[in-house]
Amino acid sequence: AQSVTQLGSHVSVSEGALVLLRCNYSSSVPPYLFWYVQYPNQGLQLLLKYTSAATLVKGINGFEAEFKKSETSFHLTKPSAHMSDAAEYFCAVSDGETSGSRLTFGEGTQLTVNP
Amino acid sequence: DAGITQSPRHKVTETGTPVTLRCHQTENHRYMYWYRQDPGHGLRLIHYSYGVKDTDKGEVSDGYSVSRSKTEDFLLTLESATSSQTSVYFCAIRRTDYYGYTFGSGTRLTVV
Repeated sequence: AQSVTQLGSHVSVSEGALVLLRCNYSSSVPPYLFWYVQYPNQGLQLLLKYTSAATLVKGINGFEAEFKKSETSFHLTKPSAHMSDAAEYFCAVSDGETSGSRLTFGEGTQLTVNP
Repeated sequence: DAGITQSPRHKVTETGTPVTLRCHQTENHRYMYWYRQDPGHGLRLIHYSYGVKDTDKGEVSDGYSVSRSKTEDFLLTLESATSSQTSVYFCAIRRTDYYGYTFGSGTRLTVV
């Protein structure tokens, strides 16, 4: 079975500060990992994905994440927060075809950016 | 993006009534999914489909059924709606071009 744990349901940073959102996963096979962002009253938008290529993955809006197998982590970072980054962020894992390609989500982290 | 349309976008219904939500895709993707989103729970899988007439349960399938008679349509039915099924429902497809998942805009369902 696969699972995702996002550490911190709420994270608050100042504009211009580093953003770090934590994600740890559990998977019985090499995983595919994703970060999604959800703005208020909107659907989910893919930020970035890891699919067993480069371990450092760059996404949209200046975000990146690093896959660390030894730590079973896939933390999301952005060097300098912008007010427009305020949203909810979801980490997700898929075992690929072994589980019907199902995507399992973490509970989400609400990011607040203070001026 | 992936041509996913959910309908209706909003619905209010009474306890005990059946409700059907529709997900329509235009790009012939094999895998389709229904999730519900609730505060503090993230998104949880209700049912998914891996082809026409091929469906399976997710982690929160009780009280829900699905059907997929055509590749493009995946229907979610609440057989007898309860207040605990008040939620936002998202449909998703698994893409084959870059192994990602694309979501519809969601259906906000309120059961009163």
